[in-house]
Amino acid sequence: NAGVTQTPKFQVLKTGQSMTLQCAQDMNHEYMSWYRQDPGMGLRLIHYSVGAGITDQGEVPNGYNVSRSTTEDFPLRLLSAAPSQTSVYFCASSYSRQGDEKLFFGSGTQLSVL
Amino acid sequence: QQQVKQSPQSLIVQKGGISIINCAYENTAFDYFPWYQQFPGKGPALLIAIRPDVSEKKEGRFTISFNKSAKQFSLHIMDSQPGDSATYFCAARGYSGGGADGLTFGKGTHLIIQP
Repeated sequence: NAGVTQTPKFQVLKTGQSMTLQCAQDMNHEYMSWYRQDPGMGLRLIHYSVGAGITDQGEVPNGYNVSRSTTEDFPLRLLSAAPSQTSVYFCASSYSRQGDEKLFFGSGTQLSVL
Repeated sequence: QQQVKQSPQSLIVQKGGISIINCAYENTAFDYFPWYQQFPGKGPALLIAIRPDVSEKKEGRFTISFNKSAKQFSLHIMDSQPGDSATYFCAARGYSGGGADGLTFGKGTHLIIQP
């Protein structure tokens, strides 16, 4: 049981480049989400999904796209990277029903945009 | 708009002492309040959580105190140990529509336990 798997662990991009951060979970969780972590800012929600085919915006969605074609996968796309997107990105999953909200985090992707 | 305010930003406690971290929230729709612990280079991990129908929850050395009328909750770490040195995040979550909203986090507290 791998839990939440994020790839890559590290990435350096040039401004304007695009890339996809991968996230997969093997716990059959309905809920998946992406957070970015910046010094002094805590964890801020980018996008989340409560099931396959359903996504919604979080606190800081601009510059990011997501899709949820399967229960297991929730990729995060940067269409045109900007230096302001330099951050550590965490994917997380949980059951969405009340009473079972424990959020399982991946180990993170450290992204630098030059 | 910051919906969960956490303080202090950093905290230094002597080994064996009590560490206290406070959080306040604004959205009365929140009905689940977890605390997450994060070690350097790792993702956050759930430490303890509480619902607003109870005023206190204790798990080992960790206790959450919850004041619904004041919209505040706090984490107490008793007999703090050097291994407790980490960043702690409070959070809150509500439900709307057909499922869970995203978890809203505080900005974190960097806790150092001095031996």
